[in-house]
Amino acid sequence: KAGVTQTPRYLIKTRGQQVTLSCSPISGHRSVSWYQQTPGQGLQFLFEYFSETQRNKGNFPGRFSGRQFSNSRSEMNVSTLELGDSALYLCASKPQENSYNEQFFGPGTRLTVL
Amino acid sequence: AQTVTQSQPEMSVQEAETVTLSCTYDTSESDYYLFWYKQPPSRQMILVIRQEAYKQQNATENRFSVNFQKAAKSFSLKISDSQLGDAAMYFCAYRSASSEKLVFGKGTKLTVNP
Repeated sequence: KAGVTQTPRYLIKTRGQQVTLSCSPISGHRSVSWYQQTPGQGLQFLFEYFSETQRNKGNFPGRFSGRQFSNSRSEMNVSTLELGDSALYLCASKPQENSYNEQFFGPGTRLTVL
Repeated sequence: AQTVTQSQPEMSVQEAETVTLSCTYDTSESDYYLFWYKQPPSRQMILVIRQEAYKQQNATENRFSVNFQKAAKSFSLKISDSQLGDAAMYFCAYRSASSEKLVFGKGTKLTVNP
């Protein structure tokens, strides 16, 4: 099976712009979670989707949003970018909700905000 | 809120030796999972080992084993016969049984010296 894929891998934006990141989970996986990784804050949970429904949301401002499509692919959007949004954004997928199964991580999208 | 603490920002070990990475967590829940993830430089995060809170027996995966002390809320990782390929950031993570949200520690950077 192909692993979790994320596009694009690298992105450079300027302050005030908007960005959309994409995540394709492993085939058959229905749960998709997003994390932000920065040197200062570490890994922080953004949100989790299961069957097109947001199940959990982390403590991030409303500028951060996401959605999941019927094929389980997910996108996250950040509007009005700030310098502090520069980070590695990781997506993780899992076969089903709240099971013992592990989450499989993608390679991430490196976002740089200038 | 649950928290995960890794008190060792950096550790080093000689090849073929044994090293133990520390992790403590705080939770009021009784049903949860604990994980150790490995993130090699510029590579994807992968699961090293996992532990269900209700299991008293410590998990082992080849050269990797944990020391799970539920009462002390401690979850350390022991790497035996360290190899150069073990060099990476290691993250301890907590997940409630009722959520997909992973709560990560700040990580421990492991260096393996030849």
